[in-house]
Amino acid sequence: DTGVSQDPRHKITKRGQNVTFRCDPISEHNRLYWYRQTLGQGPEFLTYFQNEAQLEKSRLLSDRFSAERPKGSFSTLEIQRTEQGDSAMYLCASSFGRTSSYEQYFGPGTRLTVT
Amino acid sequence: GQSLEQPSEVTAVEGAIVQINCTYQTSGFYGLSWYQQHDGGAPTFLSYNALDGLEETGRFSSFLSRSDSYGYLLLQELQMKDSASYFCAVSSPQTGANNLFFGTGTRLTVIP
Repeated sequence: DTGVSQDPRHKITKRGQNVTFRCDPISEHNRLYWYRQTLGQGPEFLTYFQNEAQLEKSRLLSDRFSAERPKGSFSTLEIQRTEQGDSAMYLCASSFGRTSSYEQYFGPGTRLTVT
Repeated sequence: GQSLEQPSEVTAVEGAIVQINCTYQTSGFYGLSWYQQHDGGAPTFLSYNALDGLEETGRFSSFLSRSDSYGYLLLQELQMKDSASYFCAVSSPQTGANNLFFGTGTRLTVIP
């Protein structure tokens, strides 16, 4: 399977702990996106990478959130000092090329539960 | 700000045609995308409209009217497997050229 993969698929953590998620995009895709989705809502944009450069970040994104994409391949999303409001599905997506940001390929997501 | 409006739920009969509408408000506009998401699954890209008119891809078609800030997704010959949530998403200078702003989705239920 050469689609977008995410790890772990599920994460349960206690409030105040740090968590890190990984995303492996489709290999030839240079663009990578992170979204958050809660029940009954659409995906909400968090941040965007083109190759290894983080070019855009949501103004709604707390300073507790940080993302990296070393070497322009896989990406990690870290949440520090988790809060119950962080409970959501975290989706990663990738796309290729300058004109195809509207056609994004999503991974299966990491479901985070903060207790 | 920006906003997207789409119906929260639609029910249709297997074999029928259903239209899911989406109206948007944004400063500037690049295009409107449609995504399908089954329960527990990942969003999957369906179609994209940057210019006015109808785009057809098999049983699915998408329409855009930029002057009316309106688009719709048309699903023909409905099948049970089409039961899913459908999201419209806009890309604009306001979202950032590389990002999508998603609506809250329309849950489609196909009944026999």
